[in-house]
Amino acid sequence: DTEVTQTPKHLVMGMTNKKSLKCEQHMGHRAMYWYKQKAKKPPELMFVYSYEKLSINESVPSRFSPECPNSSLLNLHLHALQPEDSALYLCASSPREVAEAFFGQGTRLTVV
Amino acid sequence: GESVGLHLPTLSVQEGDNSIINCAYSNSASDYFIWYKQESGKGPQFIIDIRSNMDKRQGQRVTVLLNKTVKHLSLQIAATQPGDSAVYFCAEAASNDYKLSFGAGTTVTVRA
Repeated sequence: DTEVTQTPKHLVMGMTNKKSLKCEQHMGHRAMYWYKQKAKKPPELMFVYSYEKLSINESVPSRFSPECPNSSLLNLHLHALQPEDSALYLCASSPREVAEAFFGQGTRLTVV
Repeated sequence: GESVGLHLPTLSVQEGDNSIINCAYSNSASDYFIWYKQESGKGPQFIIDIRSNMDKRQGQRVTVLLNKTVKHLSLQIAATQPGDSAVYFCAEAASNDYKLSFGAGTTVTVRA
């Protein structure tokens, strides 16, 4: 299995809602990432988990809360988002530092 | 073939011609570089990578060139096909760092 699977593929949520994005990989990768991508822009790093511990937080607002329950799963909990948070949220994993990151297909999030 | 000397956001290329996509990076500490292809509605897909101890690496129909002196990276696609139409991103990372940073991206359109 060489895939990174993200669910859901699409999500529409209100500004008062709480939702979660899920990501799963079974490649034995020890690093997992969340990226945010706005239309026609490059992906921007949000969080990095290394060996299930948060190693990088790129000054992301607290309304985004990551969680790594185990080495195969990564969640992104969303609460009180703003319309400008609408974007494609990409999960990725890599076997080690300084290595190719494998990306999922992303969750298209719309905040209304 | 079609080429750009500096990074341009778009590139239009005739089917069958060669394409050259350029990327400039700014971090002198970066020593690992990747090219990704992103099709509409999908996550970035790995094309080819190169480490700083090399200046050229070839894959299937693709070649990556690295010029560390001027901090420049390029991707050459031979015999461009309609399926090559996508946005291409370069990404860089430094040793012992999980942070993969993306460049601005180039949209390649292949003309039949």
